[in-house]
Amino acid sequence: DVKVTQSSRYLVKRTGEKVFLECVQDMDHENMFWYRQDPGLGLRLIYFSYDVKMKEKGDIPEGYSVSREKKERFSLILESASTNQTSMYLCASSFNNEQFFGPGTRLTVL
Amino acid sequence: EDQVTQSPEALRLQEGESSSLNCSYTVSGLRGLFWYRQDPGKGPEFLFTLYSAGEEKEKERLKATLTKKESFLHITAPKPEDSATYLCAVQAAGDYKLSFGAGTTVTVRA
Repeated sequence: DVKVTQSSRYLVKRTGEKVFLECVQDMDHENMFWYRQDPGLGLRLIYFSYDVKMKEKGDIPEGYSVSREKKERFSLILESASTNQTSMYLCASSFNNEQFFGPGTRLTVL
Repeated sequence: EDQVTQSPEALRLQEGESSSLNCSYTVSGLRGLFWYRQDPGKGPEFLFTLYSAGEEKEKERLKATLTKKESFLHITAPKPEDSATYLCAVQAAGDYKLSFGAGTTVTVRA
């Protein structure tokens, strides 16, 4: 069974803080993704990575950066958190076009 | 730009009352259309991939079909445990990413 884990289920941060969201997959998948999910908007792609140290911007990369130093780990970084980044963040890894999702991190920025 | 529209936004069914969810899409060369199920507070769980018009896939009480412009997810004789949000996504040819619809939330009453 593919397992995608995310470092926190719930996170509360203050405006201006630097925030790290970690994602680990255990199936040696090449591709990893970060999405945010907001009511009525569905899942929107922030960044994705198709190999170690390789990354590409998704549809809404502004205010975010990513890091992929090892194949199994993909980190999402909020350099200076803002209230409009309050959301559910979902990580996924993929094999043969099928994406497997982690449980999500609900981030609240106060 | 790829677009995915799901309807209705919400669907309330009586146990045993069959119904269909719609996913309309526009994409420049379809690589695949995906259906996911998402329970509250959890990440999406993969259900089906459809690759070409006319293709059908089934899993328990769920059946997904695909035309050149839309996909339907048919729920036959639903049970309360089928209550969830169902997400549709498309992948364009030569692309890594998925573009998601906003989802249809299905509630099945006993």
